[in-house]
Amino acid sequence: KAGVTQTPRYLIKTRGQQVTLSCSPISGHRSVSWYQQTPGQGLQFLFEYFSETQRNKGNFPGRFSGRQFSNSRSEMNVSTLELGDSALYLCASSSRDRVTYEQYFGPGTRLTVT
Amino acid sequence: AQSVTQPDIHITVSEGASLELRCNYSYGATPYLFWYVQSPGQGLQLLLKYFSGDTLVQGIKGFEAEFKRSQSSFNLRKPSVHWSDAAEYFCAVGGGGSQGNLIFGKGTKLSVKP
Repeated sequence: KAGVTQTPRYLIKTRGQQVTLSCSPISGHRSVSWYQQTPGQGLQFLFEYFSETQRNKGNFPGRFSGRQFSNSRSEMNVSTLELGDSALYLCASSSRDRVTYEQYFGPGTRLTVT
Repeated sequence: AQSVTQPDIHITVSEGASLELRCNYSYGATPYLFWYVQSPGQGLQLLLKYFSGDTLVQGIKGFEAEFKRSQSSFNLRKPSVHWSDAAEYFCAVGGGGSQGNLIFGKGTKLSVKP
């Protein structure tokens, strides 16, 4: 099976702009989670989508939003970018099987805000 | 609150030596525990997981981990380290079921001396 794919891999944006990141999960996986990774805060959970519904949300401002499509692909959007939003954004997919619950990560999108 | 502590920020071992990376967790219910590895510029790769049953779990690349409920620990071990094991290692705890997010430790960076 193909793994989790994320596009683009690298992005440079200016403060105040908005950005959309895309994630395609492993075929058959219906859950997609997003994480932000920074040197200072480490890996932090943003939100999870399952069957097009947001199921869980981390402690991030409303500028961070996401959605999931019927084919399980997901996008996350960050509006009004701030310098502190510079990070590696990781997407993870899961089958959400109650017995074997594990998440598989994509390579990430490196966002730099200048 | 749920949390994961990895006490060692950076560890250096000689190639061929044994390795143990420490992980302590705080979680109210029975935890789902994971170890992930991240090479520079890459996403996270799942090394192993513990859900229930045998407290010693085997993973990929010759890694194993032992769950000790009394110590709230889930330490990662490898009997003989290879230069290619140099990377950052993350311990994570998740609730499984309806919980779609993982809580990660800050990571331990492993360097391998030739």
